[in-house]
This record gives sequence, C-alpha cells and structure tokens, in this order.
Amino acid sequence: AQSVSQHNHHVILSEAASLELGCNYSYGGTVNLFWYVQYPGQHLQLLLKYFSGDPLVKGIKGFEAEFIKSKFSFNLRKPSVQWSDTAEYFCAVNARGNKLVFGAGTILRVKS
Amino acid sequence: EPEVTQTPSHQVTQMGQEVILRCVPISNHLYFYWYRQILGQKVEFLVSFYNNEISEKSEIFDDQFSVERPDGSNFTLKIRSTKLEDSAMYFCASNPGGRAGDTQYFGPGTRLTVL
Repeated sequence: AQSVSQHNHHVILSEAASLELGCNYSYGGTVNLFWYVQYPGQHLQLLLKYFSGDPLVKGIKGFEAEFIKSKFSFNLRKPSVQWSDTAEYFCAVNARGNKLVFGAGTILRVKS
Repeated sequence: EPEVTQTPSHQVTQMGQEVILRCVPISNHLYFYWYRQILGQKVEFLVSFYNNEISEKSEIFDDQFSVERPDGSNFTLKIRSTKLEDSAMYFCASNPGGRAGDTQYFGPGTRLTVL
C-alpha cells in the first residue's frame, strides 16, 4: 500500500530562516506528488506538484520541491520564510487511481 | 476564482442519527471526492465519484456511508447511523478530469461531532 511520511510534526522558525520539510513515500512505480498548505481557518490549497519532467518543481509563494526518485523523497523548501507562511503543510502522493494519500502534516510556525 | 464550498461548517449530532454533509464542487469539474481527518490523524481518502457512480472507495467507506449527486450542483455524503468514531473533519474535493496528477481542489471542510 502507498504511504507517505513527513519527518517533522512541528517546526518553529524565525522570519528569514530557510525551510526544508521532509517527505518520503513508499511506492515503487510511477507517482505524482503534491504539497498542499492549509493556512489557519482556510481550506487545503495546492502549493506545487510533480507529475513528470524536471524534478525541481517551483510553486506559489516562493516554495519549491525536489523529487529524488532514488530516495523516494519530495522535500519542500523555501529559502526565506515569512510570518505569513505559518500554516500546516501536507505532502501527498497519487499513484494508482485518483485518490490522494496524505502524510500526517507538518505545522510550521514562523516567529516575527 | 471558483471554489469548492461545503455546508454546514460544523455539525453536531447524536450517536445513531443520520447526517448529510453537502458540497458544491467547482462547476465544470467532473470528478468528486470525500476525505476525512480525525483529530490528530492523517487526511484519509473515503470515496471518489464520476458519472454518477463510485469509481473508488476505501475500506473506511462501508455500508453506513453513501454518496449522491442529487442535482447538477450538489454532491452529498450521507452517514446513516453515526458512531462516536465518525467524529472528524470531512473534506470534499473536485477536479476537472480525474487523471492521476490532476490537482484536486478542496473545500473548507465540515467538522462533524458525534455525541
């Protein structure tokens, strides 16, 4: 069965610090990978996704993620976080069918 | 920008009662989904729906659950006889084509509390 692991449940950073959130998945075949974000009081929104081509994917708000097939990883990065990046971040994989399999989420708090 | 909407935002019910959670997907989307998130746990897939049929369901989606598209705009999730463990946030999602890799657009969720 597909599964997704997110390494950190809570991350606290100061503004301007760099961010890297880990995501690993288990599935040996072709995958599509997603990062969703949920800002306080809002719905899940797509940050970025990978389904083919360049393994370095750029998303909204300065986020990027790198798909490393050999490591089954899709880590999310941002060089300099802002207070407004405070949110919960979910990694998800779609391998067979249409369903998304989510990780447990990482709550990011950015201190101003 | 079009959004998926869900009503109600919070539903409180007694154990054994039936509840219907409502969703209005984005108007030109053809694939619809329900997910749930029990407090402190992962977001879990429940069911996908296309062309008035269930296309995939998880083992969570047992006989007490059903989905329906009663008209051209609404997509509902019915829980026939609620249990305490059904307390969760329920998210509806939709996408235009349903292909693997297509973005799913999520609604704000309905928080279901079963007492």
